[in-house]
Amino acid sequence: NAGVMQNPRHLVRRRGQEARLRCSPMKGHSHVYWYRQLPEEGLKFMVYLQKENIIDESGMPKERFSAEFPKEGPSILRIQQVVRGDSAAYFCASSPSRSSNQPQHFGDGTRLSIL
Amino acid sequence: GESVGLHLPTLSVQEGDNSIINCAYSNSASDYFIWYKQESGKGPQFIIDIRSNMDKRQGQRVTVLLNKTVKHLSLQIAATQPGDSAVYFCAEGPQKLVFGQGTRLTINP
Repeated sequence: NAGVMQNPRHLVRRRGQEARLRCSPMKGHSHVYWYRQLPEEGLKFMVYLQKENIIDESGMPKERFSAEFPKEGPSILRIQQVVRGDSAAYFCASSPSRSSNQPQHFGDGTRLSIL
Repeated sequence: GESVGLHLPTLSVQEGDNSIINCAYSNSASDYFIWYKQESGKGPQFIIDIRSNMDKRQGQRVTVLLNKTVKHLSLQIAATQPGDSAVYFCAEGPQKLVFGQGTRLTINP
């Protein structure tokens, strides 16, 4: 499967726990984006990363949320001390470059549920 | 992008008819637009894109029209099939995508 891979597909956490969401981009893609989607709404941009660099994190909440895309391995979106309002679907997308001619391709998301 | 609403607009069409899904965008400086299809439980699937230096682009059974004067984008699906049932989103790009509200397309047999 050459698509964007996200895991886990479903994640259940209790309030106060940590959630780690992983994303492996498409082969050959070095740019990763994270989005959040609430039911019946469009996706909202969170963060844009290149390998070892955060390019744009203007959509990330100031506290409890962080993202990384290390030199080796998947990109990680980390949510500390989760609250009920963090329940959502989190999608990762990748593209091969910053070129405006390259569409972003999405994974099937991680559905995060907070008890 | 459009403001977010609690209920998705819905478009119902007869199987075999053409579908037209509309989208208004807000940023006149946007130069890249994409249409995505999202099925239940899945991520957005790329359909077609268009740059701002074009006003029309065609793909297989789909056509995107861009009217920069009124900041309007449309997706036309020819001969709509049951497999076209999904929520359709327009997005402004290229990096920090801004998604529209979405339209749910349902197909009547």
